[in-house]
Amino acid sequence: GAGVSQSPSNKVTEKGKDVELRCDPISGHTALYWYRQSLGQGLEFLIYFQGNSAPDKSGLPSDRFSAERTGGSVSTLTIQRTQQEDSAVYLCASSRDGPSYGYTFGSGTRLTVV
Amino acid sequence: GQQVMQIPQYQHVQEGEDFTTYCNSSTTLSNIQWYKQRPGGHPVFLIQLVKSGEVKKQKRLTFQFGEAKKNSSLHITATQTTDVGTYFCAGRGSGGSNYKLTFGKGTLLTVNP
Repeated sequence: GAGVSQSPSNKVTEKGKDVELRCDPISGHTALYWYRQSLGQGLEFLIYFQGNSAPDKSGLPSDRFSAERTGGSVSTLTIQRTQQEDSAVYLCASSRDGPSYGYTFGSGTRLTVV
Repeated sequence: GQQVMQIPQYQHVQEGEDFTTYCNSSTTLSNIQWYKQRPGGHPVFLIQLVKSGEVKKQKRLTFQFGEAKKNSSLHITATQTTDVGTYFCAGRGSGGSNYKLTFGKGTLLTVNP
């Protein structure tokens, strides 16, 4: 596609439920990133997929968070047993792999845990 | 781990005034990027700086990368209402093949017409 696509755009869930957030990167972009942005805050790194290498999971805040990337394309971020502090906008970005490329962000998924 | 600090957190200016945001990294960077996020939008890539002391211009925007490759600045001349948004710097660590960016917390610019 022309851009990074994320779905759903909004998600309201009850505390304790599991949620799945989807990211469809730009075709040909081998690097995919998940970031989290709380209201009025900066971007908190979560996880990075780079080609066929093992993902960098160093930013995942707890073991309730996991992500996978199937076939080097679509990625799913799963949050289990959601808590109110998980409420945020989850941003996915993709880029060509290498040190010289900027990110293209999706429009994000706004997650609200009630 | 790597930290990127950005100041100020907020800046309110009158239209026509200049604006500058500053970025400092705790470690030497291989490169630094700048992004703009409009209210309600997502970050959009503006530019990348790679070389020590590099200066790049985009119309009224001037970007600088420090000699030590640990700091950077974005200067906007004669702000317009279209400049409103949050400006983020983001740095890549030097060495290795991990290309993830560490973002600063951003500077929210508001412009009074």
